[in-house]
Amino acid sequence: AQRVTQPEKLLSVFKGAPVELKCNYSYSGSPELFWYVQYSRQRLQLLLRHISRESIKGFTADLNKGETSFHLKKPFAQEEDSAMYYCALRYGGATNKLIFGTGTLLAVQP
Amino acid sequence: DAMVIQNPRYQVTQFGKPVTLSCSQTLNHNVMYWYQQKSSQAPKLLFHYYDKDFNNEADTPDNFQSRRPNTSFCFLDIRSPGLGDAAMYLCATSRDRQSSYTFGSGTRLTVV
Repeated sequence: AQRVTQPEKLLSVFKGAPVELKCNYSYSGSPELFWYVQYSRQRLQLLLRHISRESIKGFTADLNKGETSFHLKKPFAQEEDSAMYYCALRYGGATNKLIFGTGTLLAVQP
Repeated sequence: DAMVIQNPRYQVTQFGKPVTLSCSQTLNHNVMYWYQQKSSQAPKLLFHYYDKDFNNEADTPDNFQSRRPNTSFCFLDIRSPGLGDAAMYLCATSRDRQSSYTFGSGTRLTVV
């Protein structure tokens, strides 16, 4: 069965430090992975998707099929990056269903 | 602004008393989803509509039903809420089956 694991509930870093939010997945099909972000008092929104291979707000994520990982990285954290981050996997073939990880709260200290 | 709107933001209901949560969208998206998110857990898909085609997840309890009377609106009905149904309920839409989701702000349901 498909599964998304985010091992860290909380990641606390200082401003300017590198950030890596971990995500591992389990899926028998061809995976499509996403990162969603939820800032304080805002709705969940898409941050990036692996097929786009783009950098959003300085964040990047590379799909590593060998390690079944899709870690989110940023070289220099900013205070405004503080938010809840969810990794998600599209499953179910053409149905566009997402399974989410439990999320990691990123806290960037000044 | 085109968006996904969930009403109410907070809902308190009595144990066993039917409750309906509402979601509307101005995006004209074909697909609408309902997710349940309990405290410190991942959002979990309950069901989705592709246009008028209803798709239930295998492990969604029978206590949960949904209606989509038109493209813009989708409702989540909980026939007999239990204490275990207290959660944040998230509505999301996507233009089609390849597009990313747009989420509503959620409805936090409390069962007393």
